[in-house]
Amino acid sequence: DAGVTQSPTHLIKTRGQQVTLRCSPKSGHDTVSWYQQALGQGPQFIFQYYEEEERQRGNFPDRFSGHQFPNYSSELNVNALLLGDSALYLCASSLPLHMSGTAYYEQYFGPGTRLTVT
Amino acid sequence: LAKTTQPISMDSYEGQEVNITCSHNNIATNDYITWYQQFPSQGPRFIIQGYKTKVTNEVASLFIPADRKSSTLSLPRVSLSDTAVYYCLVGDIRGTGGFKTIFGAGTRLFVKA
Repeated sequence: DAGVTQSPTHLIKTRGQQVTLRCSPKSGHDTVSWYQQALGQGPQFIFQYYEEEERQRGNFPDRFSGHQFPNYSSELNVNALLLGDSALYLCASSLPLHMSGTAYYEQYFGPGTRLTVT
Repeated sequence: LAKTTQPISMDSYEGQEVNITCSHNNIATNDYITWYQQFPSQGPRFIIQGYKTKVTNEVASLFIPADRKSSTLSLPRVSLSDTAVYYCLVGDIRGTGGFKTIFGAGTRLFVKA
């Protein structure tokens, strides 16, 4: 069973450009969350998708948008890139606790996409 | 959302038990406590989760006092491969409508030979 996969692994973009990052959740997972992790800091929550809708959002501007497809995969789009958007972007998938079959809620993280904005 | 406070870093030696304490004074009644581990250039990995008292799995133990304003992650007999950043998270995990997951700065554990 493949875990969470993300593509691409690395990406270099120029200021002002747009970027799309992709995530395939762990098999059977229906919830996808996106995080931004700057060097030396903890992951910052961007948003979470469930049933193809954005359910929760962190403190990120509208330049950050996303989408979830019927097969539960997801995309993160960032417009008008800034130098400060350079970071590791992490995707995590999960199931609601009542569906997980376990007594705990766990998010499975992918390896991330390293975005460099020059 | 409850804010968490952890030590920035800790050092230990192989074979020792390591205890990392997290403060969460504003924890809400429905909040659970979760710990994740992260190695460089990798996504975080779930370690353990609990609501009260003590939880133990094959990797670690989690101690939560009665007032739930803090919690302690205990790693028995650490090895060099336990060198990583450890994050304490607090939040209501039971909702189906989605919820935010807030990571703090984490505790950088360095295990020495």
